[in-house]
Amino acid sequence: AQSVTQLDSHVSVSEGTPVLLRCNYSSSYSPSLFWYVQHPNKGLQLLLKYTSAATLVKGINGFEAEFKKSETSFHLTKPSAHMSDAAEYFCVVSDVGTGGFKTIFGAGTRLFVKA
Amino acid sequence: EAQVTQNPRYLITVTGKKLTVTCSQNMNHEYMSWYRQDPGLGLRQIYYSMNVEVTDKGDVPEGYKVSRKEKRNFPLILESPSPNQTSLYFCASSVGLAGSETQYFGPGTRLLVL
Repeated sequence: AQSVTQLDSHVSVSEGTPVLLRCNYSSSYSPSLFWYVQHPNKGLQLLLKYTSAATLVKGINGFEAEFKKSETSFHLTKPSAHMSDAAEYFCVVSDVGTGGFKTIFGAGTRLFVKA
Repeated sequence: EAQVTQNPRYLITVTGKKLTVTCSQNMNHEYMSWYRQDPGLGLRQIYYSMNVEVTDKGDVPEGYKVSRKEKRNFPLILESPSPNQTSLYFCASSVGLAGSETQYFGPGTRLLVL
Protein backbone atom coordinates (compact mmCIF):
# COMPACT_ATOMS: atom_id res chain seq x y z
CA ALA A 1 0.00 0.00 0.00
CA GLN A 2 1.12 3.51 -0.68
CA SER A 3 1.96 5.88 2.14
CA VAL A 4 3.76 9.14 2.73
CA THR A 5 5.43 10.28 5.93
CA GLN A 6 6.59 13.83 6.43
CA LEU A 7 9.00 13.54 9.28
CA ASP A 8 8.53 17.03 10.73
CA SER A 9 5.22 18.74 11.37
CA HIS A 10 7.01 22.09 11.89
CA VAL A 11 10.38 23.40 10.74
CA SER A 12 11.79 26.78 11.76
CA VAL A 13 14.76 28.41 10.02
CA SER A 14 16.31 31.84 9.89
CA GLU A 15 16.18 33.86 6.72
CA GLY A 16 19.19 33.10 4.52
CA THR A 17 19.83 29.64 6.01
CA PRO A 18 19.19 26.31 4.27
CA VAL A 19 15.83 24.58 4.30
CA LEU A 20 15.35 20.81 4.58
CA LEU A 21 11.86 19.27 4.61
CA ARG A 22 11.93 15.50 4.89
CA CYS A 23 9.63 13.02 3.17
CA ASN A 24 9.66 9.22 3.11
CA TYR A 25 7.29 7.19 0.99
CA SER A 26 6.15 3.66 0.49
CA SER A 27 4.97 2.38 -2.86
CA SER A 28 4.68 -1.01 -4.48
CA TYR A 29 5.22 0.32 -7.96
CA SER A 30 7.18 3.09 -9.64
CA PRO A 31 5.66 6.18 -8.12
CA SER A 32 5.48 9.77 -9.17
CA LEU A 33 6.38 12.12 -6.34
CA PHE A 34 5.39 15.72 -5.89
CA TRP A 35 5.92 18.63 -3.54
CA TYR A 36 3.10 21.17 -3.28
CA VAL A 37 3.12 24.43 -1.32
CA GLN A 38 0.15 26.07 0.35
CA HIS A 39 0.41 29.69 1.41
CA PRO A 40 -2.05 30.95 4.04
CA ASN A 41 -5.62 31.03 2.77
CA LYS A 42 -4.55 29.85 -0.67
CA GLY A 43 -4.91 26.69 -2.73
CA LEU A 44 -2.03 24.32 -3.38
CA GLN A 45 0.61 25.07 -5.97
CA LEU A 46 3.06 22.62 -7.51
CA LEU A 47 6.68 23.16 -6.50
CA LEU A 48 8.22 20.23 -8.35
CA LYS A 49 7.65 16.64 -9.38
CA TYR A 50 9.60 13.46 -10.02
CA THR A 51 8.37 11.13 -12.76
CA SER A 52 11.18 8.59 -13.28
CA ALA A 53 13.54 10.87 -15.16
CA ALA A 54 16.42 12.68 -13.43
CA THR A 55 16.60 11.89 -9.73
CA LEU A 56 17.49 15.49 -8.81
CA VAL A 57 14.49 17.62 -9.57
CA LYS A 58 14.52 21.41 -9.69
CA GLY A 59 11.39 23.36 -8.99
CA ILE A 60 10.20 26.91 -8.67
CA ASN A 61 11.57 29.53 -6.26
CA GLY A 62 14.94 27.79 -5.88
CA PHE A 63 13.61 24.55 -4.39
CA GLU A 64 14.88 21.15 -5.38
CA ALA A 65 14.37 17.55 -4.29
CA GLU A 66 16.30 14.34 -4.73
CA PHE A 67 14.64 11.00 -5.31
CA LYS A 68 16.53 8.25 -3.45
CA LYS A 69 14.99 4.89 -4.17
CA SER A 70 17.26 2.99 -1.79
CA GLU A 71 16.16 5.23 1.08
CA THR A 72 12.58 5.68 -0.20
CA SER A 73 13.00 9.39 0.38
CA PHE A 74 12.18 12.58 -1.50
CA HIS A 75 13.47 15.41 0.68
CA LEU A 76 12.90 19.03 -0.30
CA THR A 77 15.74 21.52 0.01
CA LYS A 78 16.54 25.15 -0.64
CA PRO A 79 19.98 26.73 -0.09
CA SER A 80 18.74 29.99 1.37
CA ALA A 81 15.34 30.62 2.93
CA HIS A 82 13.33 33.73 2.19
CA MET A 83 10.54 35.19 4.26
CA SER A 84 8.11 34.45 1.44
CA ASP A 85 8.84 30.71 1.79
CA ALA A 86 6.84 30.58 5.02
CA ALA A 87 4.00 28.21 4.15
CA GLU A 88 2.84 24.62 4.49
CA TYR A 89 4.45 22.01 2.27
CA PHE A 90 2.96 18.70 1.22
CA CYS A 91 4.77 15.65 -0.12
CA VAL A 92 2.58 13.55 -2.41
CA VAL A 93 2.97 10.07 -3.89
CA SER A 94 0.91 8.97 -6.86
CA ASP A 95 0.82 5.66 -8.66
CA VAL A 96 -1.39 2.89 -9.96
CA GLY A 97 -1.69 0.09 -7.42
CA THR A 98 -3.94 -2.86 -6.79
CA GLY A 99 -6.65 -0.48 -5.64
CA GLY A 100 -6.41 1.56 -8.82
CA PHE A 101 -5.14 5.08 -9.20
CA LYS A 102 -4.11 6.58 -5.86
CA THR A 103 -2.85 9.96 -4.76
CA ILE A 104 -1.68 10.09 -1.17
CA PHE A 105 -0.77 13.31 0.62
CA GLY A 106 1.55 13.59 3.57
CA ALA A 107 0.29 15.36 6.69
CA GLY A 108 2.21 18.51 5.80
CA THR A 109 5.19 20.43 7.18
CA ARG A 110 4.73 23.99 8.24
CA LEU A 111 7.81 26.10 7.52
CA PHE A 112 8.49 29.16 9.66
CA VAL A 113 11.12 31.66 8.54
CA LYS A 114 12.57 34.02 11.14
CA ALA A 115 13.93 37.42 10.18
CA GLU B 1 -6.60 32.63 -17.25
CA ALA B 2 -6.40 28.89 -16.61
CA GLN B 3 -7.98 28.16 -13.27
CA VAL B 4 -10.14 26.02 -11.03
CA THR B 5 -12.93 27.90 -9.29
CA GLN B 6 -14.99 26.86 -6.30
CA ASN B 7 -18.13 28.35 -4.80
CA PRO B 8 -18.86 29.27 -2.17
CA ARG B 9 -15.52 30.02 -0.53
CA TYR B 10 -17.03 30.03 2.96
CA LEU B 11 -20.18 28.31 4.15
CA ILE B 12 -21.87 27.90 7.52
CA THR B 13 -24.79 25.50 7.67
CA VAL B 14 -26.72 23.34 10.12
CA THR B 15 -26.84 19.59 10.49
CA GLY B 16 -29.02 17.90 7.90
CA LYS B 17 -29.42 20.80 5.48
CA LYS B 18 -28.39 19.67 2.01
CA LEU B 19 -25.69 21.70 0.32
CA THR B 20 -23.68 21.72 -2.89
CA VAL B 21 -20.19 23.07 -3.46
CA THR B 22 -19.51 23.81 -7.09
CA CYS B 23 -16.22 23.29 -8.91
CA SER B 24 -15.40 24.38 -12.43
CA GLN B 25 -12.23 24.27 -14.53
CA ASN B 26 -11.51 25.99 -17.84
CA MET B 27 -8.53 23.86 -18.92
CA ASN B 28 -10.46 21.05 -20.64
CA HIS B 29 -9.03 18.59 -18.09
CA GLU B 30 -10.41 15.08 -18.03
CA TYR B 31 -9.57 14.27 -14.44
CA MET B 32 -11.14 16.04 -11.46
CA SER B 33 -11.03 15.31 -7.78
CA TRP B 34 -12.32 16.46 -4.41
CA TYR B 35 -10.24 16.52 -1.23
CA ARG B 36 -10.81 17.53 2.33
CA GLN B 37 -8.05 18.99 4.46
CA ASP B 38 -8.01 18.54 8.21
CA PRO B 39 -5.24 19.59 10.63
CA GLY B 40 -2.52 16.98 10.95
CA LEU B 41 -4.04 14.76 8.27
CA GLY B 42 -3.01 16.46 5.05
CA LEU B 43 -5.45 16.16 2.15
CA ARG B 44 -7.62 13.09 1.79
CA GLN B 45 -9.36 12.24 -1.44
CA ILE B 46 -13.16 12.08 -1.31
CA TYR B 47 -14.13 11.27 -4.91
CA TYR B 48 -12.55 11.55 -8.31
CA SER B 49 -13.76 11.53 -11.89
CA MET B 50 -11.85 10.30 -14.91
CA ASN B 51 -14.25 11.82 -17.42
CA VAL B 52 -17.89 12.74 -17.98
CA GLU B 53 -20.22 10.26 -16.22
CA VAL B 54 -17.24 8.36 -14.75
CA THR B 55 -16.68 8.77 -11.02
CA ASP B 56 -15.13 6.67 -8.29
CA LYS B 57 -14.65 6.73 -4.55
CA GLY B 58 -11.51 8.00 -2.93
CA ASP B 59 -10.40 7.31 0.62
CA VAL B 60 -13.17 9.11 2.54
CA PRO B 61 -16.38 9.07 0.43
CA GLU B 62 -18.92 8.48 3.21
CA GLY B 63 -21.51 11.25 3.41
CA TYR B 64 -20.65 12.77 0.03
CA LYS B 65 -21.96 12.50 -3.51
CA VAL B 66 -20.60 13.82 -6.78
CA SER B 67 -21.71 14.05 -10.38
CA ARG B 68 -19.93 14.76 -13.66
CA LYS B 69 -22.45 15.71 -16.31
CA GLU B 70 -20.14 18.14 -18.08
CA LYS B 71 -16.41 18.00 -18.49
CA ARG B 72 -15.77 21.35 -16.82
CA ASN B 73 -17.98 20.90 -13.70
CA PHE B 74 -17.66 18.54 -10.75
CA PRO B 75 -20.00 19.50 -7.88
CA LEU B 76 -19.69 18.02 -4.39
CA ILE B 77 -23.00 17.29 -2.67
CA LEU B 78 -23.57 16.79 1.03
CA GLU B 79 -27.09 15.36 1.31
CA SER B 80 -27.25 15.55 5.10
CA PRO B 81 -24.22 17.35 6.50
CA SER B 82 -22.93 16.49 9.94
CA PRO B 83 -20.45 18.33 12.20
CA ASN B 84 -17.67 15.85 11.34
CA GLN B 85 -17.80 17.20 7.79
CA THR B 86 -16.59 20.58 9.00
CA SER B 87 -13.41 20.96 6.99
CA LEU B 88 -11.56 22.77 4.22
CA TYR B 89 -12.43 21.35 0.81
CA PHE B 90 -10.37 21.52 -2.35
CA CYS B 91 -11.27 20.69 -5.91
CA ALA B 92 -8.47 19.77 -8.30
CA SER B 93 -8.10 18.91 -11.97
CA SER B 94 -5.43 17.46 -14.22
CA VAL B 95 -4.98 16.60 -17.86
CA GLY B 96 -5.42 12.90 -17.31
CA LEU B 97 -5.45 10.09 -14.80
CA ALA B 98 -1.80 9.16 -15.09
CA GLY B 99 0.01 9.42 -11.80
CA SER B 100 2.60 11.80 -13.19
CA GLU B 101 0.12 14.54 -14.02
CA THR B 102 0.22 17.81 -12.12
CA GLN B 103 -2.99 18.66 -10.31
CA TYR B 104 -4.31 22.21 -10.34
CA PHE B 105 -6.16 23.21 -7.21
CA GLY B 106 -9.02 25.57 -6.55
CA PRO B 107 -8.81 28.16 -3.75
CA GLY B 108 -10.72 26.01 -1.25
CA THR B 109 -14.11 26.09 0.45
CA ARG B 110 -14.20 26.35 4.20
CA LEU B 111 -17.31 24.60 5.56
CA LEU B 112 -18.66 24.78 9.11
CA VAL B 113 -21.53 22.46 10.03
CA LEU B 114 -23.27 23.36 13.29
